[in-house]
Amino acid sequence: DVKVTQSSRYLVKRTGEKVFLECVQDMDHENMFWYRQDPGLGLRLIYFSYDVKMKEKGDIPEGYSVSREKKERFSLILESASTNQTSMYLCASSWLRSWYRATGELFFGEGSRLTVL
Amino acid sequence: SQQGEEDPQALSIQEGENATMNCSYKTSINNLQWYRQNSGRGLVHLILIRSNEREKHSGRLRVTLDTSKKSSSLLITASRAADTASYFCATPGGATNKLIFGTGTLLAVQP
Repeated sequence: DVKVTQSSRYLVKRTGEKVFLECVQDMDHENMFWYRQDPGLGLRLIYFSYDVKMKEKGDIPEGYSVSREKKERFSLILESASTNQTSMYLCASSWLRSWYRATGELFFGEGSRLTVL
Repeated sequence: SQQGEEDPQALSIQEGENATMNCSYKTSINNLQWYRQNSGRGLVHLILIRSNEREKHSGRLRVTLDTSKKSSSLLITASRAADTASYFCATPGGATNKLIFGTGTLLAVQP
């Protein structure tokens, strides 16, 4: 069964702390994504990776960085958390298919709800 | 860079009724997808329709796509209480040409 696992369902951090959100997929997918979801704004793409050590900025990369050292793992890093980064963070993965490239079916994790105080 | 927008924002129906949700988008696409999200959970892929398809079925789901109007609809027939969730359409777009999601339709099916 397809599985995307996010390390923490709920986190509470303080302003200025460094935060790591981990995501692991077991489907040998090439593409991995980090989105954040906020009420009234839908899902917004933070970063995307199509291969190990490769990354591309999404629509809202400011304040975030990512790491992909292994194909199955994609980490989102908040170098210095701020209250406006309180949100639900969703990791997703997909196959790299020539026709759809990186816009095919996404498989999502259960989400990590981060609260920054 | 909003691409897809769902309508209505919220929908409440009785069990057994049909539910119809609409999605409009702005730019040319090669596919459109619908996802479902139960409260506090991740999204689950429901169906993908290619730009050269007009209609697609999956169980109780029927999706239509009208590329001339840049719109799609998702029909859930004979709804159940377990269908209560938020439904999102997603299309490639934006500066990164990745999947962009709308803000969703919140469907409540009353038993």
